[in-house]
Amino acid sequence: GQNIDQPTEMTATEGAIVQINCTYQTSGFNGLFWYQQHAGEAPTFLSYNVLDGLEEKGRFSSFLSRSKGYSYLLLKELQMKDSASYLCAVREVGNNRKLIWGLGTSLAVNP
Amino acid sequence: DVKVTQSSRYLVKRTGEKVFLECVQDMDHENMFWYRQDPGLGLRLIYFSYDVKMKEKGDIPEGYSVSREKKERFSLILESASTNQTSMYLCASGWIETQYFGPGTRLLVL
Repeated sequence: GQNIDQPTEMTATEGAIVQINCTYQTSGFNGLFWYQQHAGEAPTFLSYNVLDGLEEKGRFSSFLSRSKGYSYLLLKELQMKDSASYLCAVREVGNNRKLIWGLGTSLAVNP
Repeated sequence: DVKVTQSSRYLVKRTGEKVFLECVQDMDHENMFWYRQDPGLGLRLIYFSYDVKMKEKGDIPEGYSVSREKKERFSLILESASTNQTSMYLCASGWIETQYFGPGTRLLVL
């Protein structure tokens, strides 16, 4: 079956580094996505990984290991505005228009 | 900048009413999506459309229908609203690699 697991909640301190993990079990794999969603707002695209390795984009990096069915989102130099929910989503082979979404990780950044 | 707009931010309807939620995008995207988002259940796909007049059911299509008469507009229809359809409804458009979401419509069915 299809399954995406993320921690429900995480807490971190301003200025620190936090890693949000995502594991997936899907019928084939054709890309993994991370979205950020602030409370009461729509999700916004952060990153897309289809090959193994680390993709860096400013303070945010995303890592993928296809053999382990595992990804993480790394947030550096945390700011209060990073408090949000982070959604992991996977595209399966053979269904290029649909994503399978995780339930999201709610990150609270404290001063 | 890509813009996806939804007809209402907040909507209150009564059980049994027919409800129309509209979504408009300005980037000539072929794909458009309707999701609902509920606490503890995450984002669930209701329907998506990959071209004008083309649609496919998502994971929870029951109680909903859609219409795509023009490329830029994708409508979600609740034929007879029920209280269990109280939710946040999100429209998105774009390529599968990058979906751009509208601001959402928070629907309350009484």
